Amino acid sequence: IVLTQSPGTLSLSPGERATLSCRASQTVTNSYLAWYQQKRGQAPRLLLYGASSRAAGIPDRFSGRGSGTDFTLTISRLEPEDFAVYYCQLYGGLHPYTFGQGTKVDVK
Amino acid sequence: QITLEESGPALVKSTQTLTLTCSFSGFSFTYSGVGVGWFRQPPGKALEWLALVYWDHDKRYRPSLKNRVSITKDTSKNEVVLTLTSMDQVDTATYYCAHFVADPLTGYYVADLWGQGTLVTVSS
Repeated sequence: IVLTQSPGTLSLSPGERATLSCRASQTVTNSYLAWYQQKRGQAPRLLLYGASSRAAGIPDRFSGRGSGTDFTLTISRLEPEDFAVYYCQLYGGLHPYTFGQGTKVDVK
Repeated sequence: QITLEESGPALVKSTQTLTLTCSFSGFSFTYSGVGVGWFRQPPGKALEWLALVYWDHDKRYRPSLKNRVSITKDTSKNEVVLTLTSMDQVDTATYYCAHFVADPLTGYYVADLWGQGTLVTVSS
């Protein structure tokens, strides 16, 4: 399965809403899709798993939805610390731990 | 509090074997439903999963690297070791180890906590 993230770069201002897309080339059953945030020079941080469940300590401005082939990560109001690269990842099925190529959210 | 730390050589030569150690604390392989795995990230590129070892000794490998990669665990030392043979310049990357936990909704294992990573450069 190939995960395609769009857009490649999203330029927004603090306080704005960010909507990131992750599309799978085949249907993802059981929603075993995760989202990670990676800041420059840092390790990835798990944000969401099961497409929509927030990991421990993740603020509720981060939300996810989707099923089948189309998944979305939404950041309701961007905080300064949210400008980073975001990756979607499959963690189950026949092609586990496949990543998308990432979406960079930068300051407009 | 769970922590993981990668250690190993920063520089290896082409054709050599890379051995990396992940030392962890805050959990144990005696717990069911946990695992430790490895990822890597070439400079400026996306993340790539390499290998995973589960609490019950089961192991999984990236299919394209299956002939080169090996993962072992030492429960008494709280360590996991990754071995990658026949290193090439394309293997230059930051290597991360991560704690995996079973997702209660799907039963599949998701990487929820990561080490800071270690940069490995392969020279010719």
